[in-house]
Amino acid sequence: DVKVTQSSRYLVKRTGEKVFLECVQDMDHENMFWYRQDPGLGLRLIYFSYDVKMKEKGDIPEGYSVSREKKERFSLILESASTNQTSMYLCASSTGVMNSPLHFGNGTRLTVT
Amino acid sequence: RKEVEQDPGPFNVPEGATVAFNCTYSNSASQSFFWYRQDCRKEPKLLMSVYSSGNEDGRFTAQLNRASQYISLLIRDSKLSDSATYLCVVRGSGGGFKTIFGAGTRLFVKA
Repeated sequence: DVKVTQSSRYLVKRTGEKVFLECVQDMDHENMFWYRQDPGLGLRLIYFSYDVKMKEKGDIPEGYSVSREKKERFSLILESASTNQTSMYLCASSTGVMNSPLHFGNGTRLTVT
Repeated sequence: RKEVEQDPGPFNVPEGATVAFNCTYSNSASQSFFWYRQDCRKEPKLLMSVYSSGNEDGRFTAQLNRASQYISLLIRDSKLSDSATYLCVVRGSGGGFKTIFGAGTRLFVKA
């Protein structure tokens, strides 16, 4: 079974802090994704990566950056956390085959105070 | 216009009912399609992929109409355990396969 692991289940940070969300997958998947999920808005794509050191902006990249130095790890960085970044963050991975599905980690609930 | 649109529901149905969910997508170049299920406070999980010819998995049937840019999911003989949010997912072409989720349709199955 594919395993996608997110480093924290719950996180509380202060406004202005730099926040790192880590995601690791163990299936040698090429593609990795970061989404945030908010009530009424569904899952929105922040960034995705199709190879080491490669990244593409999703629909809501503002205020975020990402890093993929190794194939198995995809990090989401909030450069200066703000209260409107309080959300559930979900990491996912998939193979490089077009019709391969996404496999999700169990999410990080981030609260920015 | 959103890239992927779903009726948010909620759908309230009795056990044993048949229920259908619809989804439309705006990018005609989209390549792959899926239905995911998400339980409350859990991550989304793949329910089934959607193929051009339509496909069935037990009580679940998925259909794709590329001409109308429309995807559907039919659930027959609903069970209490089918209560969840159903997410329509569309994947585009190009590097990385940008994958967009609909906002989801909430289903409540009642005894």
